[in-house]
Amino acid sequence: DAGVIQSPRHEVTEMGQEVTLRCKPISGHDYLFWYRQTMMRGLELLIYFNNNVPIDDSGMPEDRFSAKMPNASFSTLKIQPSEPRDSAVYFCASSLGTGNEQFFGPGTRLTVL
Amino acid sequence: GENVEQHPSTLSVQEGDSAVIKCTYSDSASNYFPWYKQELGKRPQLIIDIRSNVGEKKDQRIAVTLNKTAKHFSLHITETQPEDSAVYFCAARPDTDKLIFGTGTRLQVFP
Repeated sequence: DAGVIQSPRHEVTEMGQEVTLRCKPISGHDYLFWYRQTMMRGLELLIYFNNNVPIDDSGMPEDRFSAKMPNASFSTLKIQPSEPRDSAVYFCASSLGTGNEQFFGPGTRLTVL
Repeated sequence: GENVEQHPSTLSVQEGDSAVIKCTYSDSASNYFPWYKQELGKRPQLIIDIRSNVGEKKDQRIAVTLNKTAKHFSLHITETQPEDSAVYFCAARPDTDKLIFGTGTRLQVFP
């Protein structure tokens, strides 16, 4: 298995633009997590899905952020409109069952100018 | 909700020495405690985990201890090597599906 796949690896955009981050979890994993990592706030959970259903989105900063998981092999995190304070590394992770190892993707480094 | 505190924020040791990182958690219902290592510019990767029914777990030079009464757990790295240099995160899983991460410890091992 190729592990968790994220795209793009780097994204540079201007304030106000829409940004879409993509994630392909490990095949067979039923949990998918989106995290944001910054120096100031560390590793924050934004939202997670179980069997493609959003379970907890309490970490989503505001309405500008949205996430979807249309099927078991694909998820998106969208920011619209983007702001400079959204600049961070966004990780997607997946796991098989709960209370088991979460496998992280390589991350997307987002820079909003 | 669960809150995880991690100390120290930075730790410098000489190669061959031991390193200890400590975490405390607030939710007594937490039952799973993983440790992740993140090298510069890389993704976090699990290095060891422990469940609430176990007090200690070892894997070669790495060990984790858990004190449920005091609600704290620690990572011990013996015979440190330069390649151990990284940021280490502890985490706790309360009675939900999500992990609550500590703020990280930057470990530097000097040759």
